Amino acid sequence: QQPVQSPQAVILREGEDAVINCSSSKALYSVHWYRQKHGEAPVFLMILLKGGEQKGHEKISASFNEKKQQSSLYLTASQLSYSGTYFCGTYDYKLSFGAGTTVTVRA
Amino acid sequence: DAGVTQSPTHLIKTRGQQVTLRCSPKSGHDTVSWYQQALGQGPQFIFQYYEEEERQRGNFPDRFSGHQFPNYSSELNVNALLLGDSALYLCASSLTGRINTEAFFGQGTRLTVV
Repeated sequence: QQPVQSPQAVILREGEDAVINCSSSKALYSVHWYRQKHGEAPVFLMILLKGGEQKGHEKISASFNEKKQQSSLYLTASQLSYSGTYFCGTYDYKLSFGAGTTVTVRA
Repeated sequence: DAGVTQSPTHLIKTRGQQVTLRCSPKSGHDTVSWYQQALGQGPQFIFQYYEEEERQRGNFPDRFSGHQFPNYSSELNVNALLLGDSALYLCASSLTGRINTEAFFGQGTRLTVV
């Protein structure tokens, strides 16, 4: 079953922060985050494993709460390069993706 | 080190025809997964191949079939094409059994059915 992402879209000015949420109705063992820019392949950002682990990628970090079956991606002090569509993926012998959150960062 | 390569990059087919898409995984990877991505949507899992066998399958009809070769490369075949099959088809490679590692995606094949 696919995870559910929110919001569907967000518009930011450079330097602003945003949070993208991902939730699942099934127990999660890991959550994967990818970013896809227009016309390009999805690119891996990070993986979070059970244990409430928090990871970071530049000024992009994420948290994972397996009890709530949720993960959140935090975009801090956003840059123009952060624009793109962010997908969370949940792994259950296969990687299933949410519908994505489109982030637009404006100067 | 070459990443995941897919061919062709673009393809136009007529309804009812058959199509074959190809994927070479990243060096060292043994598992290939195929995804269909409609415009504005997330990638939808089609199936996954490991050791030349289909290991997992998503909710796609039997018109979608695949193959994995001994060198780990893979093909996706779609028979009796429908207009709704128009999408970006992505191939992703990974190492089997390792959930703490990422999948690497190819640039995709843009299939248009007319």
